[in-house]
Amino acid sequence: ETGVTQSPTHLIKTRGQQVTLRCSSQSGHNTVSWYQQALGQGPQFIFQYYREEENGRGNFPPRFSGLQFPNYSSELNVNALELDDSALYLCASSGTDRGSTEAFFGQGTRLTVV
Amino acid sequence: AQSVTQLDSQVPVFEEAPVELRCNYSSSVSVYLFWYVQYPNQGLQLLLKYLSGSTLVESINGFEAEFNKSQTSFHLRKPSVHISDTAEYFCAVRRMDSSYKLIFGSGTRLLVRP
Repeated sequence: ETGVTQSPTHLIKTRGQQVTLRCSSQSGHNTVSWYQQALGQGPQFIFQYYREEENGRGNFPPRFSGLQFPNYSSELNVNALELDDSALYLCASSGTDRGSTEAFFGQGTRLTVV
Repeated sequence: AQSVTQLDSQVPVFEEAPVELRCNYSSSVSVYLFWYVQYPNQGLQLLLKYLSGSTLVESINGFEAEFNKSQTSFHLRKPSVHISDTAEYFCAVRRMDSSYKLIFGSGTRLLVRP
């Protein structure tokens, strides 16, 4: 068991709506990364948060935004949803220092935009 | 920039046969290498990783991968597969000098038949 939990597990939204996905990182981990995995594809890096600050961003538009809280849990917000945003969204947490090399993934949130 | 190529989108194999899943990467800087496994409707689980030292790394369930720097490859092998190995396998890299952003390949679906 990885200890990374995501909610909700499944979600259906209408095009143009906004959505918030949540992630609780593994105990003691201070870094959270979000990935988008479209059907039949590998995960694509969205952004990463380290100690409540954005610490890197992939090639995603500004309508993808995030937060990290003092307890290191995190949210991914997507505004103005598009059909192509339908995907599995994965959260990964990483260790207590920058020397840690392993990322632990949650089960993901399956988002369907109709 | 880094990139990962998984040459086979699907590999069908009979139970107890050997299998090799191919992974090649491109990077101008030193990277760590990973293999993740994803079972249906689940998140990613780390299978094995290469950080440094011996170029052959092994997992607890019989998989092994060999880092070949000259060929920039990190192929995954198992001498005898089981039905339960049926899953999607992702090769990934991460810069040694950076944070935890993982660059994934597009995945290889291993289909083990009885």
